[in-house]
Formats: sequence, C-alpha cells, structure tokens
Amino acid sequence: EMVMTQSPATLSVSPGERATLSCRASQSVSSNLAWYQQKPGQAPRLLIYAASTRATGIPARFSGSGSGTDFTLTISSLQSEDIAVYYCQQYNDWWTFGQGTKVEIK
Amino acid sequence: QVQLQESGPGLVKPSQTLSLTCTVSGVSISSAGSYWTWIRQHPGKGLEGIGNIYYTGRTHYSPSLKSRVSMSLDTSKNQFSLRLTSVIAADTAVYFCARAEGVVMPGAIHNWGPGTQVSVSS
Repeated sequence: EMVMTQSPATLSVSPGERATLSCRASQSVSSNLAWYQQKPGQAPRLLIYAASTRATGIPARFSGSGSGTDFTLTISSLQSEDIAVYYCQQYNDWWTFGQGTKVEIK
Repeated sequence: QVQLQESGPGLVKPSQTLSLTCTVSGVSISSAGSYWTWIRQHPGKGLEGIGNIYYTGRTHYSPSLKSRVSMSLDTSKNQFSLRLTSVIAADTAVYFCARAEGVVMPGAIHNWGPGTQVSVSS
C-alpha cells in the first residue's frame, strides 16, 4: 500500500520568507505527483502537477521539484494569503494523499 | 470555465444508501480527457479518494470502498453520481466532486466542487 508522508506537520514562516514543504512516497511514483492548497471551509486548489508544473493561474512564487520518492513544494516569499494546509497526492498507482502540512505565519 | 456543484441529502441514516449528484458546466462529461471523481474529507482530517468514472463508463474505485461504491453518468443532464451503500458513522464527511485530467489514467485533480457535508446519524 502506497503511503505519502509529509513533513513538517506545521510550518511557521515569517512573511516574505521561504517556506519549504516535503513529501515522501513509500515507493517510486515517478513524476506523478500533485500539490494542493486548502483554506478553511474551501475545496482544495491544484497548485502543481507532474511534480513541477504550475497549474493555471498559480503565482510564480509556488514551485515544485523532485521525482521518484522525494518531493518538495517551495513558496519563495510567503504571503498572508498563503496560510493554508498543503497536501501532496500521488496518482501513479490509484490515488494517495499525504496527511497535510499546515503553514502559519510566524 | 469548468464548474462543479454537488447536491444531495445532508443527513443519511445508518445502513441506508448515500446518493450524491454532481452537476458540471463548462465542459461535456462525454468528452475525452476527464475523469469524473469523488473525494471525501472526514472532519478535521485529510483527503480520501472514493473513485472516478471516465466518459466511456469505465470506473475505478478505492480498494477500501469498492464493495459499497458505484458511480454513473447522465450525459443528458451533464451530471455524474455517487452511490455508497450500507453507510456507517465513519462515512460522515465532506464529499467533493471533481475533475481529474488524464487519458490512459486519471491524473491530478484540476477542478473541484465546493463540497457538501453528509452526516450519518439516526
């Protein structure tokens, strides 16, 4: 069974600073990985797919990298509107979501 | 612009069947390249894939739910539906309908409905 592990569980970052979120797969998912942002009371929003391709309308401060089992989502300069929970998802073998990383303002 | 909207009862009794419908606008559910998808989120928890259906009618369900899940398309109304039988309290969740892109297999989920809360209680 595929397991996606995100770290850290909570990330506190000052406005304008870089935020780095990690996602690790229990087995290789190639580049079949997506990142989503979810704000309270809202549906998730696709940020990144194919590990590093920004979805339509996503600001350039969001970037994704990695392949195989280790992936990173980077927010280059954190804005107040980026406060949310971020999920990774593999779609190489059915779908598995990570447990999420909560990003908060320091 | 693709938009999705869930509809259905917000309260279902234990052992009964949960039925939800998703109305799609901005794209035909009969067109290739889209997998019509149901995702749920338990209170305060992460996301769980329930299953998806392609325009051909081909379905793929979560291994943990496949004995209780079925999905269907209504192309005349541009809607797709979810049925979950024999519900229990653990099926209480927010249910999202969504569109995943893909041809050979479903990929990332590009469009989401706002979600609908379903509670299982007598």
